Amino acid sequence: QVTLRESGPALVKPTQTLTLTCTFSGFSLTTRGMCVSWFRQSPGEALEWLALIDWDDVKYYNTSLKTRLTISKDTSENQVVLTMSNMDPADKGTFFCARTPDGDRFDHWGQGTLVIVSS
Amino acid sequence: SYVLTQPPSVSVAPGQTARISCGGNDIGSKNVHWYQQKPGQAPVLVVYDNTDRPSGIPERFSGSNSGNTATLTISRVEAGDEAGYHCQVWDNSIAHYVFGTGTQVTVL
Repeated sequence: QVTLRESGPALVKPTQTLTLTCTFSGFSLTTRGMCVSWFRQSPGEALEWLALIDWDDVKYYNTSLKTRLTISKDTSENQVVLTMSNMDPADKGTFFCARTPDGDRFDHWGQGTLVIVSS
Repeated sequence: SYVLTQPPSVSVAPGQTARISCGGNDIGSKNVHWYQQKPGQAPVLVVYDNTDRPSGIPERFSGSNSGNTATLTISRVEAGDEAGYHCQVWDNSIAHYVFGTGTQVTVL
């Protein structure tokens, strides 16, 4: 059974760096073709893709946020970590992680974690 | 950047058919995936690669894709189908995943 779970702070201050962890089970990020991605959804808004890391440690970023994002993986711990720097109140939203077995569709998602940015 | 346009809302009576469009330039040349999202929940993949259904998704959910429009069709709509629906593609020109603007389906 594939599961993913996001964890991290519910509240961060403006200008701080947000660190989120996606802990997964039921698959390995060393399997060829396997990838994990992060997304954000602001209230009432569309899903926004943030970053992806693949089995070979290749990384892709949303170009509009690239300077603020870093994605990394720990295959021994089955975790993928996303950092987003210089947080602003406009960055408020629910952050999801999801896996794609082929770099195209996202077939399993975590439940999401809500992040609020406020002083 | 590549843009996917969906109608904000679709209303349908129980037992009828809902059709949700996803417009994009030459979207017919891409693989389109559709997600269902209920309030407070994560998205669930309901159609992938334009027409395929993951295991556990009812046959009432089907997809098509041609030209500049992809369509998710929900036949014999049930109250439990009330949710937001998002289309998604991979834009390899800029190595980005792109989501549609989202459509809220209301069952009357």
